Amino acid sequence: EVQLVESGGGLVQPGRSLRLSCTASEFTFGDYAMSWVRQAPGKGLEWVGFIRSKAYGGTTEYAASVKGRFTISRDESKRIAYLQMNSLKTEDTAVYYCTRDVGSGSYWAIFDYWGQGTLVTVSS
Amino acid sequence: DIQMTQSPSSLSASVGDRVTIPCRASQTISSYLNWYQQKPGKAPKLLIFAASSLQSGVPSRFSGSGSGTDFTLTISSLQPEDFATYYCQQSYSTPWTFGQGTKVEIK
Repeated sequence: EVQLVESGGGLVQPGRSLRLSCTASEFTFGDYAMSWVRQAPGKGLEWVGFIRSKAYGGTTEYAASVKGRFTISRDESKRIAYLQMNSLKTEDTAVYYCTRDVGSGSYWAIFDYWGQGTLVTVSS
Repeated sequence: DIQMTQSPSSLSASVGDRVTIPCRASQTISSYLNWYQQKPGKAPKLLIFAASSLQSGVPSRFSGSGSGTDFTLTISSLQPEDFATYYCQQSYSTPWTFGQGTKVEIK
């Protein structure tokens, strides 16, 4: 069965950096776009950004709230998608989910598999 | 950005009830609308994509309808495991945006 496992969350001070990892298994990782979605405590879902598959250039797009601070990348050989978060703010506190796009291609923006999430707390 | 509005933010219903959950987009999104179910402490689960297509493995009591700006998720006969929060999401253009969610509670 398709699995996505996030890691790397934790407590970090404002202004510092953190890198999240999403390890994928049981599907052809290289064929799919991957997105990150976050959820602040007690709040709704917010799309953070995504990365296309290598076949579509591996290019990325981001939400305005994180653009210039967050970077998504992928390592095909390790089957991992990363979310590098720099200049963290208290409002970045959330559970971060890794998601798979429903089909191969540039993107569909339909998230058919989700990881369990990893909590990032930004506080001094 | 396209704003997705879900109202009400919560509703109460009984097992066996027919439940409808509305979602409205701030501009036309054709049928680029998806629905997710989230239970406390769990990741969201895809229910419906492209406004009306049932995701594999999802019970047939769930259905979606609508196009343009107005959409509806319907649960034909509410089951105990359906008490959860439901989110709509547009996949028409980035930034992809979610509604604020509708929590279905036990009456």
